[in-house]
Amino acid sequence: EAQVTQNPRYLITVTGKKLTVTCSQNMNHEYMSWYRQDPGLGLRQIYYSMNVEVTDKGDVPEGYKVSRKEKRNFPLILESPSPNQTSLYFCASREPGLYEQYFGPGTRLTVT
Amino acid sequence: AQSVAQPEDQVNVAEGNPLTVKCTYSVSGNPYLFWYVQYPNRGLQFLLKYITGDNLVKGSYGFEAEFNKSQTSFHLKKPSALVSDSALYFCAVRRVNNYGQNFVFGPGTRLSVLP
Repeated sequence: EAQVTQNPRYLITVTGKKLTVTCSQNMNHEYMSWYRQDPGLGLRQIYYSMNVEVTDKGDVPEGYKVSRKEKRNFPLILESPSPNQTSLYFCASREPGLYEQYFGPGTRLTVT
Repeated sequence: AQSVAQPEDQVNVAEGNPLTVKCTYSVSGNPYLFWYVQYPNRGLQFLLKYITGDNLVKGSYGFEAEFNKSQTSFHLKKPSALVSDSALYFCAVRRVNNYGQNFVFGPGTRLSVLP
């Protein structure tokens, strides 16, 4: 089954404790993205990647890091999480030129 | 700067009635427009897109959208709403930048279909 998976689905952590949210897709897509969803703000793009080792900032990259060492994986790293990063996070992938994005199930992160 | 607006936070409609979820856009150049749906506790699912061609675009689950260049709108429609259509709907636009393309999403509109 074609899918985007994210882990963990739920995470409660404390300020300053480094964490990684994993994302993996099995569709051999070149493009992958991370978004955060906040009430009233919709989805805002954090980072995206056009291929292995090629990444760029989205609209809200502060406090986040990403890496794309393999085509299928695109982890999101929070080096020092803060309470304002409490949010619902989505990973997505797509093929270039097709524009339809496939989204993962989401990761709900709470930083206390 | 490319952006989309969804002027209604909430839309309520009775089952069997037609529904419309509104979206307006602001882009430079030709717009690439999209609609996604989010069911409770799920990720977003693609519904339909407008790239070029006919102004009326048909998508999944019986939804369609009408592109209106003069009004810079891309409203989502369905002739007869189902209770199962109740969800959060997002409009999005493609943005072209130095590295390629990414997407800007609207704030979302919550649709409630009442039995």
